[in-house]
Amino acid sequence: DVKVTQSSRYLVKRTGEKVFLECVQDMDHENMFWYRQDPGLGLRLIYFSYDVKMKEKGDIPEGYSVSREKKERFSLILESASTNQTSMYLCASSPAGQIYNEQFFGPGTRLTVL
Amino acid sequence: AQTVTQSQPEMSVQEAETVTLSCTYDTSESDYYLFWYKQPPSRQMILVIRQEAYKQQNATENRFSVNFQKAAKSFSLKISDSQLGDAAMYFCAYRSGPWGTRFGAGTRLTVKP
Repeated sequence: DVKVTQSSRYLVKRTGEKVFLECVQDMDHENMFWYRQDPGLGLRLIYFSYDVKMKEKGDIPEGYSVSREKKERFSLILESASTNQTSMYLCASSPAGQIYNEQFFGPGTRLTVL
Repeated sequence: AQTVTQSQPEMSVQEAETVTLSCTYDTSESDYYLFWYKQPPSRQMILVIRQEAYKQQNATENRFSVNFQKAAKSFSLKISDSQLGDAAMYFCAYRSGPWGTRFGAGTRLTVKP
């Protein structure tokens, strides 16, 4: 089974802190994604990566950056956390190639910024 | 830009009954895929069913089936013989390229015993 893990289920940070959210997948998937989930808005794509050291902006990249130094790991970075970044963050991965490929999701990290 | 709309924020169904969740989408693409994902209270999102836009036949997975109306850009999910374990958030999703999937706002389904 594909497994996508995220470093924390719950995280509380203070405004202005630098925050790292880590995601690891064990199925050698080329594509990895970071989404933000908010009530009434569904999931919105922040960034995605289709290869090591490659990244593309999604719909809401402002205030975020990403890093992919190894194929299995994709990190989301909040350079200076703000209260409006309080949300659920979901990581996902999928194999390259056909767009019919489903995305496999991690359990999510609920981030609270005080 | 593609958009996905789920007009029912919440739905409820009696155990063993049938329920239909609605989804519409907007796109100018001709080749794309549609998905229904389920997010139980434990939060791990899983795929329920997928539909290829070029296939006229509606996809079916056990108790889950879709009604895909390409011209109307409608993609509803029917759950038959509802079970308590079906209680979850359901997201309709669209994908037309290797980039991320576009999701609707979700429908929270409650199953009453």
